Amino acid sequence: DVVLTQFPLSLPVTLGQPASISCRSSQSLVHSDGNTYLNWFQQRPGQSPRRLIYQVSNRDSGVPDRFSGSGSGTDFTLKISRVEAEDVATYYCMQGTHWPPITFGQGTKLEIK
Amino acid sequence: QVQLVQSGAEVKKPGASVKVSCKVSGYTLTKLSIHWVRQVPAKGLEWMGGFDPDNGETVYAQKFQGRVTVTEDTSTDTAYMALGSLRSEDTAVYYCTSAAAGFEYWGQGTLVTVSS
Repeated sequence: DVVLTQFPLSLPVTLGQPASISCRSSQSLVHSDGNTYLNWFQQRPGQSPRRLIYQVSNRDSGVPDRFSGSGSGTDFTLKISRVEAEDVATYYCMQGTHWPPITFGQGTKLEIK
Repeated sequence: QVQLVQSGAEVKKPGASVKVSCKVSGYTLTKLSIHWVRQVPAKGLEWMGGFDPDNGETVYAQKFQGRVTVTEDTSTDTAYMALGSLRSEDTAVYYCTSAAAGFEYWGQGTLVTVSS
C-alpha cells in the first residue's frame, strides 16, 4: 500500500502569513497513463471534506487563488499564500494512482497563532 | 449540480449490521463510481471500498473484507454501504464520494454509533 506522510501535523500560522504543508509518498504517484493522481482536501470542523486541488496542481472551481499545489513523483506541497481565518481546518492529501487501496495522509491541522 | 445525500444517523449494538444510503441527484449514479470513506472521531480519513469501472467490480480495503458490501440501485440512483459485525471501533462518520469525478463530490456524512 502507498503510505502518504504529511508534515507538519500541526501548523500554527499568523493571519496574513504564508503556510505550507508537505505530503511525501512511499512510491512515485505517476500513473501509467502519465497523470499523477494526488489530491488535496480541506475539512473544516463538522463538515465533509472539500477538494481543493486535483492532480497535483489543478485548483477546483471556487477555491481562492491563495491556495496552490505543486510537486512531482513522491513529494508534494500545498501552499497558502496568505492565511485567512476561514482557512482554519485540517488538510489531507490523497492518492488515487495505486489502488486499491486509496490512501490519505494523516492530516495537518492549521490553526491561527 | 451533483449532490450526494446520505441517510440519517444510526445507533447500533455490537454485533449488529448497518446500511447507509447515498442518493445521487444531478447526475447518473453509474457514471460517478461511488466510494465510501469513514472517519473515526477526531481521526483521519480511511477508504473502505468502491466501484472500479475499469474491471466492473467493487473493491474493498483489506481491513474491511468480509464485513462490508457496497451496492447500487440504478433505478433510484442510490448507493449503499452495509457493514456487519459492528464493534465499538466502528463508531465513525461514513461518507460517500465520487471516484469518477476525482473525489470532488461528497455526501454530508452519516454518523454510526456502536454502543451496548
